[in-house]
Amino acid sequence: DAKTTQPPSMDCAEGRAANLPCNHSTISGNEYVYWYRQIHSQGPQYIIHGLKNNETNEMASLIITEDRKSSTLILPHATLRDTAVYYCIVRGTNTNAGKSTFGDGTTLTVKP
Amino acid sequence: DAGVIQSPRHEVTEMGQEVTLRCKPISGHNSLFWYRQTMMRGLELLIYFNNNVPIDDSGMPEDRFSAKMPNASFSTLKIQPSEPRDSAVYFCASRLAGGGDTQYFGPGTRLTVL
Repeated sequence: DAKTTQPPSMDCAEGRAANLPCNHSTISGNEYVYWYRQIHSQGPQYIIHGLKNNETNEMASLIITEDRKSSTLILPHATLRDTAVYYCIVRGTNTNAGKSTFGDGTTLTVKP
Repeated sequence: DAGVIQSPRHEVTEMGQEVTLRCKPISGHNSLFWYRQTMMRGLELLIYFNNNVPIDDSGMPEDRFSAKMPNASFSTLKIQPSEPRDSAVYFCASRLAGGGDTQYFGPGTRLTVL
């Protein structure tokens, strides 16, 4: 599975959009981009995933560049409860043969 | 659905004792993962099962660690004997076949070995 690179930390003002970047320059054509987050003292929580089209759900939007070498997770109106560590993971479609590796992630701090 | 259930939530034991952590995956999920999280090493995958069969245990630190999945609704992670460096939060996660890599995590077990 491709390696990902994320900034170690970011701040965001409450009510503003939080844009979390992820680089995955070695991504293969059949690999998906997944995002999870981990709020303090809780287990990681799935947010969203995508292959090449932009995706949106009730939690966030995922923007993947045309060359698929990077992506951005967007929390449109960040709240204090969105303070967490956000992990970007790249995974192939043959999930029965592989495993996810969580890196260090980005610590997002939403400030009032 | 109750989600992934782990027990106990907290465990404090003395060095040398046996520790058993338990996990009940979400019903119908066919993959199960055990992770360990520490400040120093982050979130590490220890082992994962597909259809109750261990697929990759390369993350298991040493022979003191063992994991079993006797059926689709139950898994254990055992540490014998335990050491202070095993102190960590241990997470279990499950995944649905055909659901890509969307994993659902339990609340974790915080283990402290004195």
